[in-house]
Amino acid sequence: GIQVEQSPPDLILQEGANSTLRCNFSDSVNNLQWFHQNPWGQLINLFYIPSGTKQNGRLSATTVATERYSLLYISSSQTTDSGVYFCAVERETSGSRLTFGEGTQLTVNP
Amino acid sequence: SQTIHQWPATLVQPVGSPLSLECTVEGTSNPNLYWYRQAAGRGLQLLFYSVGIGQISSEVPQNLSASRPQDRQFILSSKKLLLSDSGFYLCAWGKAPLYNLHFGNGTRLTVT
Repeated sequence: GIQVEQSPPDLILQEGANSTLRCNFSDSVNNLQWFHQNPWGQLINLFYIPSGTKQNGRLSATTVATERYSLLYISSSQTTDSGVYFCAVERETSGSRLTFGEGTQLTVNP
Repeated sequence: SQTIHQWPATLVQPVGSPLSLECTVEGTSNPNLYWYRQAAGRGLQLLFYSVGIGQISSEVPQNLSASRPQDRQFILSSKKLLLSDSGFYLCAWGKAPLYNLHFGNGTRLTVT
């Protein structure tokens, strides 16, 4: 199956700092999504981004499909950004079998 | 708007007891439905997915089963729980064309 690697596994920031999270995948994909899991376990879909760049407020994501990686940028981080960020991919956009990476644990300190 | 309900939020069950977790989706029709498990640590493991009523695909051989008796209802079951079934169970739905996954709030299951 397709392999998904996320880095770094853990990241600690001071409030206001910027960060970049990386997701590498082992095969071509037509479906790539980023999620945030808050400390209470709730998972929120941030982006559907199999290619190109998208922005939503302080968050943006870029996927370079030909080089098999995606980046999630967090600017001016806030304590509420803490949690685990997951990348998930699928070879075809059938919605049947997204494979998740192990996530990046982000802690933003006040 | 679409919403997903999952219950119970927490559950403590003895080894050997049965399990039934329920998930329902509102505000959409014919969604794909999923059960994921998140064990200690961070990774999410896909357990089952369904593309329609009565259609269940299993990803991992295990002590669990799933059913979809109605279009927007997905049930995770076990006849006899094992200690290794403990974890955080998440239901999700997605739909064409993008299949953005939307998760329920999860059930924390502890098997004692």
